[in-house]
Amino acid sequence: GESVGLHLPTLSVQEGDNSIINCAYSNSASDYFIWYKQESGKGPQFIIDIRSNMDKRQGQRVTVLLNKTVKHLSLQIAATQPGDSAVYFCAENTVGGGGADGLTFGKGTHLIIQP
Amino acid sequence: DGGITQSPKYLFRKEGQNVTLSCEQNLNHDAMYWYRQDPGQGLRLIYYSQIVNDFQKGDIAEGYSVSREKKESFPLTVTSAQKNPTAFYLCATSSGGRYEQYFGPGTRLTVT
Repeated sequence: GESVGLHLPTLSVQEGDNSIINCAYSNSASDYFIWYKQESGKGPQFIIDIRSNMDKRQGQRVTVLLNKTVKHLSLQIAATQPGDSAVYFCAENTVGGGGADGLTFGKGTHLIIQP
Repeated sequence: DGGITQSPKYLFRKEGQNVTLSCEQNLNHDAMYWYRQDPGQGLRLIYYSQIVNDFQKGDIAEGYSVSREKKESFPLTVTSAQKNPTAFYLCATSSGGRYEQYFGPGTRLTVT
């Protein structure tokens, strides 16, 4: 099938462990951030989002942390499962460019779950 | 995926031929987007449309064309002028005033 993980940073974790995926964003004026999950050969799926007026947001087994001081975003996945294996990438709202209140996407991290 | 359909999943064409990729949505979203994805790279915006009969170039529009005659449909034509058309193409939608975009399953285009 299609592989979108080639040449991306890779994070390998044991099944059941927690994983943390990091993302540095570029524009200090961005005020909205999303994490997507993309499985091989498929389109990206929305996981969780956060606005810049928040530092932390939790979902089901996932937590997003935002540090605006250093322009850093992280996604924490608790108790990883084999189905979590995918490429994860962050996106920020495009300020002053792009269009349609668009998004600017990071390159992604390939998460591999070891049995 | 949900209410966004892209067909076909795999598409093969000879160099020099134009090819049209379809994107249909039943989410009633106003905005639609086309992205290109290459291995090891982030998504790059080709074209977007905020409303029927209107569309704008994204970052890498050269060699591509689009139309938006219906709210539900946003086809992308990859022309022979696109120098490196082999890639994974993703269509996305968003509803008015919201940033989050929802993606279709993608079409893998191979040009030889």
